[in-house]
Formats: sequence, structure tokens, C-alpha cells
Amino acid sequence: AQSVTQLDSQVPVFEEAPVELRCNYSSSVSVYLFWYVQYPNQGLQLLLKYLSGSTLVKGINGFEAEFNKSQTSFHLRKPSVHISDTAEYFCAVSDAQYNKLIFGAGTRLAVHP
Amino acid sequence: DGGITQSPKYLFRKEGQNVTLSCEQNLNHDAMYWYRQDPGQGLRLIYYSQIVNDFQKGDIAEGYSVSREKKESFPLTVTSAQKNPTAFYLCATERGSGHQPQHFGDGTRLSIL
Repeated sequence: AQSVTQLDSQVPVFEEAPVELRCNYSSSVSVYLFWYVQYPNQGLQLLLKYLSGSTLVKGINGFEAEFNKSQTSFHLRKPSVHISDTAEYFCAVSDAQYNKLIFGAGTRLAVHP
Repeated sequence: DGGITQSPKYLFRKEGQNVTLSCEQNLNHDAMYWYRQDPGQGLRLIYYSQIVNDFQKGDIAEGYSVSREKKESFPLTVTSAQKNPTAFYLCATERGSGHQPQHFGDGTRLSIL
């Protein structure tokens, strides 16, 4: 069965510093990977997705992620964060077998001035 | 403006009472989903529907019921059998039949009185 592990529940960082939010998944078949962002009391917004092709995926708000099949990872990165990036970030995976989206537990990114 | 509307934003339930959460979409998406979000647990799938008049149980369907009489609407009823209903409930839609990004409403927060 597929599963998603977000390795950090909270990540504090100073404004303009780089950040990496880690995500590992388990699946025995081809996968499709997503990162979503959630602001307080709101739904989730898609940041970026990997369906196929280039392993480096660029998304909105300056975020990017790299699909690493050998390490079964899909880490999210941003070279310089802003206060407005403070939110919860969810990694999600679906695969060809189960056709359902499985979410990680989330990482709370707190950007400090 | 295309989107997903969840109502109400806040809902209170008395002991032994059934309550219904509304989800309406005008994106013309075929698939609709209901998730439950608890702190530190990410999103868990309650029910989903890929076509009108058909729906399937997700991972935590006990104590919940749904209907899909129209493409635009997918209401969720939280029954009195759900003993721990306090959570944030999110409705999502998906254009195709899998592996596409899901679009989310702004959620309904349900609390016990």
C-alpha cells in the first residue's frame, strides 16, 4: 500500500533564508506526486505536481520540487522565503494501482522576520 | 467564477443529531471527494464519487453518509453514529478519473455542543 511521510512536523526559518520541506513516499508502481499549501481556515491550494517527464518541477510562488525515484522522495524547496509563506504544506501521492490521493501529515512552515 | 462552495463555514452538532455539510461545484468536474482533517494527521478520505448516482467508501466512512444526485452537489451527512465528529471537513473535486490535481473548497469546521 502507498504511504507518505513528511519528515518534519514544523520548520522554523528566518525571512529570506532558503527552506526545504521533506517528503518520502512508498509505492511499488508508478506514482504521481503533489504539494499543496493550506493557509489558516482555508482549503488546500496546489503548489506543484509531478506526473511524468522532467524530475525538477517548478510551481507557484517560487517553489520547486525534485522527484527522486531511487530515494522515493519529493522534497519541496524555495531559495528565499517570505513572511507570507507561513502556512501548512502537504505532500500527496497517488499511484496507478490505487487511484486515490494519500496525504502526508503536513509540515508547518513558520517564517520569522 | 468557477469554484467549490462549502457551507456552512462553522457548524455545531448536539448529541444524537445528524448534520449535513453542503458541497457545490461549478467546475464541471466528474469526481468529488470528502476529507476529514484533524491536527497532525493530514487529510483522511471519507467518501468519494466519480460519477452521478455512484459513490465509494474511503478509509474512514463509518458514521458518515453521502449522496450524488447531481453532478454539481455532493452533500455529506455526519450521523449520530460518528462519536468523534469534531474536525475540519474539506470537499474536493477532480476533473478526470485519477492522477489529476484536486481542487478544494474552504472547508467546514464542525464542533460538538
